[in-house]
Amino acid sequence: GENVEQHPSTLSVQEGDSAVIKCTYSDSASNYFPWYKQELGKGPQLIIDIRSNVGEKKDQRIAVTLNKTAKHFSLHITETQPEDSAVYFCAARDSNYQLIWGAGTKLIIKP
Amino acid sequence: DAGVIQSPRHEVTEMGQEVTLRCKPISGHNSLFWYRQTMMRGLELLIYFNNNVPIDDSGMPEDRFSAKMPNASFSTLKIQPSEPRDSAVYFCASSLEVNTEAFFGQGTRLTVV
Repeated sequence: GENVEQHPSTLSVQEGDSAVIKCTYSDSASNYFPWYKQELGKGPQLIIDIRSNVGEKKDQRIAVTLNKTAKHFSLHITETQPEDSAVYFCAARDSNYQLIWGAGTKLIIKP
Repeated sequence: DAGVIQSPRHEVTEMGQEVTLRCKPISGHNSLFWYRQTMMRGLELLIYFNNNVPIDDSGMPEDRFSAKMPNASFSTLKIQPSEPRDSAVYFCASSLEVNTEAFFGQGTRLTVV
């Protein structure tokens, strides 16, 4: 079955700098890759997603890239702000339409 | 829409007691998911429903766990009897269809002592 690995587990960056979180997946049949942000005491919330027919997608300060050949995808946050501090999860949808989740990355934005 | 509504937000119970978690999905959504989140295991899918029918319950850890969806606007996750290792945050999520964006509720933090 599908397996998703996410790195790093914790990432600390200076406010204004960029942050990159990386995920790899194992099932080449997976075709949908969302990124969720979870703030303290709240449920995960979708921030951006990408489908396998696209290599990159941007939404203001966040972007996701997908390399189907290497089976990895990454989240890029530019000009980080304090409100970006949260736990970020990547996921891959397997052939049974289930989301397989990464372990999460705690992003800390230092003022 | 108010989003996915879960109740209670916090539950503390004694080992052996029955616990019922409740979820109201977003109106019009046909799929509903129950997840469990712990530090050790991360986010785990327990069960999901499509059009009120359980589709995959392979993530339900034991027979002590059961879930129902009697109608399109309500679902329950029951643990009977509860054990300390069941302590976790339980999330309910819903989506228009099984392969569209999932919207999560605020979660129920369960502590079994």
